[in-house]
Amino acid sequence: AQSVTQPDIHITVSEGASLELRCNYSYGATPYLFWYVQSPGQGLQLLLKYFSGDTLVQGIKGFEAEFKRSQSSFNLRKPSVHWSDAAEYFCAFNSGNTPLVFGKGTRLSVIA
Amino acid sequence: GAVVSQHPSWVICKSGTSVKIECRSLDFQATTMFWYRQFPKQSLMLMATSNEGSKATYEQGVEKDKFLINHASLTLSTLTVTSAHPEDSSFYICSARAWDRNQPQHFGDGTRLSIL
Repeated sequence: AQSVTQPDIHITVSEGASLELRCNYSYGATPYLFWYVQSPGQGLQLLLKYFSGDTLVQGIKGFEAEFKRSQSSFNLRKPSVHWSDAAEYFCAFNSGNTPLVFGKGTRLSVIA
Repeated sequence: GAVVSQHPSWVICKSGTSVKIECRSLDFQATTMFWYRQFPKQSLMLMATSNEGSKATYEQGVEKDKFLINHASLTLSTLTVTSAHPEDSSFYICSARAWDRNQPQHFGDGTRLSIL
């Protein structure tokens, strides 16, 4: 079955520390991969996407993600977290024309 | 970047009334629109997919007569919750995508629906 797994429900990091949010997918081919961020009471904002080509993709707000086919992973990273990064992060994929399949999300808390 | 506008952002109404939520793509033509429902602290649940000019395709377990979806133009889709009841209270989010499969889905800011 097609699915996305985000193993970490909640992560807390100190401001200025590095961040890595994990995402694994289950799909028969190479999917289109996405990371979205959601602030409380808001919709989803696209951080970055991977369709093909360079497996390290750069996004907005200083985020990047690396596609690793051998591990079926698409982990999100940021070298230095800011307090404003506190939010819910969703990994998602589709096969192009199909609706997005979302993970359950990872809530990021940032402490001083 | 692509902008999707959703209105209203918050609505409170009495049980038994119908509520219409609008979703507009402001700077691109949305061939396909999606409606999601999100419960507190949970992920997004796809309710239905609609292509412009066609009937919506509903996910299993979603009542098509309860949640009426119209996608009459390339920039507007509406979700009408008919005869709403307290259990319909939720956060509803629309999403739109252009015809190009290499374009991502863009999301509205959501509608908080509270049925008293």
